[in-house]
Amino acid sequence: DAKTTQPPSMDCAEGRAANLPCNHSTISGNEYVYWYRQIHSQGPQYIIHGLKNNETNEMASLIITEDRKSSTLILPHATLRDTAVYYCIVKGRGSTLGRLYFGRGTQLTVWP
Amino acid sequence: DGGITQSPKYLFRKEGQNVTLSCEQNLNHDAMYWYRQDPGQGLRLIYYSQIVNDFQKGDIAEGYSVSREKKESFPLTVTSAQKNPTAFYLCASSKSSGRTSNTGELFFGEGSRLTVL
Repeated sequence: DAKTTQPPSMDCAEGRAANLPCNHSTISGNEYVYWYRQIHSQGPQYIIHGLKNNETNEMASLIITEDRKSSTLILPHATLRDTAVYYCIVKGRGSTLGRLYFGRGTQLTVWP
Repeated sequence: DGGITQSPKYLFRKEGQNVTLSCEQNLNHDAMYWYRQDPGQGLRLIYYSQIVNDFQKGDIAEGYSVSREKKESFPLTVTSAQKNPTAFYLCASSKSSGRTSNTGELFFGEGSRLTVL
């Protein structure tokens, strides 16, 4: 599976949009982009995933560039409870879900 | 409500002792997984099971053992052979292993923090 690159940390004011970037320049055509987050001392939580079209759910929006080499997770109105480590992960066909590579992610801090 | 339950949340162990961490799910998921997380690090896969009575080693299986006698349960034993057992342990499950498709979602428990004294 392709590896991803994320900034180690970001911050955002409460109520503003948080835009978390992810680079996956070696992604192949059948690989999906997943986003999870982990609040301190809890298990990771699934947020969203996508292939090439932009996706939106109740938690966030996922914008994938046309060449699929990068993506952005958008939390439209960040709250203090969104402070967490955010993981961008690429998964290919043939590998198990359990082998999603959770690297160090991006520590997002939302401040009042 | 459906979910994954890990117990205990905190556990202290003396060197040389085996300990077993419990993981139960009522999501009717086929696949279950165990991960280890060290401070400031990502998750590393210890063992996983795609179906009852079958399991495979992950990337760091040495010093650990598992069983999958029931669909709902996937306990992890940290044996005395594990050199650095102090860590945060996470159990997860998914409807399928996702091996033949690209989609799916991992559901995680709240974790068990093991400290060796």
